[in-house]
Amino acid sequence: GENVEQHPSTLSVQEGDSAVIKCTYSDSASNYFPWYKQELGKGPQLIIDIRSNVGEKKDQRIAVTLNKTAKHFSLHITETQPEDSAVYFCAAAGSQGNLIFGKGTKLSVKP
Amino acid sequence: EPEVTQTPSHQVTQMGQEVILRCVPISNHLYFYWYRQILGQKVEFLVSFYNNEISEKSEIFDDQFSVERPDGSNFTLKIRSTKLEDSAMYFCASSVGTPNYGYTFGSGTRLTVV
Repeated sequence: GENVEQHPSTLSVQEGDSAVIKCTYSDSASNYFPWYKQELGKGPQLIIDIRSNVGEKKDQRIAVTLNKTAKHFSLHITETQPEDSAVYFCAAAGSQGNLIFGKGTKLSVKP
Repeated sequence: EPEVTQTPSHQVTQMGQEVILRCVPISNHLYFYWYRQILGQKVEFLVSFYNNEISEKSEIFDDQFSVERPDGSNFTLKIRSTKLEDSAMYFCASSVGTPNYGYTFGSGTRLTVV
């Protein structure tokens, strides 16, 4: 079955700097790759996603890149702000729709 | 914005008791899911449900677990005889279709087994 690895587990940046979180997946049949932000005591909130027919997607300060050959995808947050501090999860999904999550990255943005 | 609603937000139960966690998916969604998250760990897939039957389940989803869509709006997860290790956040999710259009999570039910 699918396995998703996520790095780093913790990331601390200064406000205004960029943050990059990387994930790899094992199942070449996976075709959907969402990123979720989880704040304390809340459910995962989708922040951006990418499908396998696209290599890059951007939404304001957030971008995701996908390399299907290497089976890895990355989240890029530019001009980080303190409110970006949260746990970020990558995930991969196949045709059945079930998401396999990475272990999460705790991002801390220092003012 | 449409939401996935879960109740209760927190449930405390004695070991060996049955619990039912409830979810109201987004009304036009066709695919329904349960996930769990043990404190400080990653979110884990339990089961997916489509067209009134389970479409996929993980190793975690053993005979102690069952799901049901009893009335066309609610989607429930039942744990027949709870164990201490069932303590976790349980998240319901729904999507319009696959692959994963409009995938939305609820805010979760914290289950504490004592």
